[in-house]
Amino acid sequence: ELKVEQNPLFLSMQEGKNYTIYCNYSTTSDRLYWYRQDPGKSLESLFVLLSNGAVKQEGRLMASLDTKARLSTLHITAAVHDLSATYFCAVDKDFGNEKLTFGTGTRLTIIP
Amino acid sequence: DAGITQSPRHKVTETGTPVTLRCHQTENHRYMYWYRQDPGHGLRLIHYSYGVKDTDKGEVSDGYSVSRSKTEDFLLTLESATSSQTSVYFCAISESWAVYGYTFGSGTRLTVV
Repeated sequence: ELKVEQNPLFLSMQEGKNYTIYCNYSTTSDRLYWYRQDPGKSLESLFVLLSNGAVKQEGRLMASLDTKARLSTLHITAAVHDLSATYFCAVDKDFGNEKLTFGTGTRLTIIP
Repeated sequence: DAGITQSPRHKVTETGTPVTLRCHQTENHRYMYWYRQDPGHGLRLIHYSYGVKDTDKGEVSDGYSVSRSKTEDFLLTLESATSSQTSVYFCAISESWAVYGYTFGSGTRLTVV
């Protein structure tokens, strides 16, 4: 059974600081996805990582994938309040399997 | 989200009653999914569909059934609702290979009393 673990589950950080959210998964996979969810809202796609070593950046967020270590990171640079949300990673077990297994999420709160 | 709508957005129902949630897409995507979201569990897959009349179970399918008679519609039915099925239900769609990931609907908040 595929397990996807995120840590930390809760993160409170000050504006302007840097931090990293980790996503570990238990089986081989070449595809990993990051989503953002605001309270009471739907999930918004942030990044799609499709190969080992993939790195994507958008504004203050950067995601990377190490398939050998079964690890993805979401790095936040110089956090701002607008980044407060819950972040989920999700893994596709097998290429073509077409079913995503989600982590439990990391609730990020940025404190002014 | 544009291209995918869920109905109803909110529903309160009594234990033991049947409930049907609807997901409608205008993107002509092959794959459709139903997830439930509960605190501490993230999103868990209930059922999914890879084409008209082609469906399969996810990890938490007990107590749920689905139907897909048209490409654009994917229905989730709780045959006899229980309090443990109180949750937020999300529908998602994807193209083949999910190169762009999933697109999620706005969700249905279901309360079973």
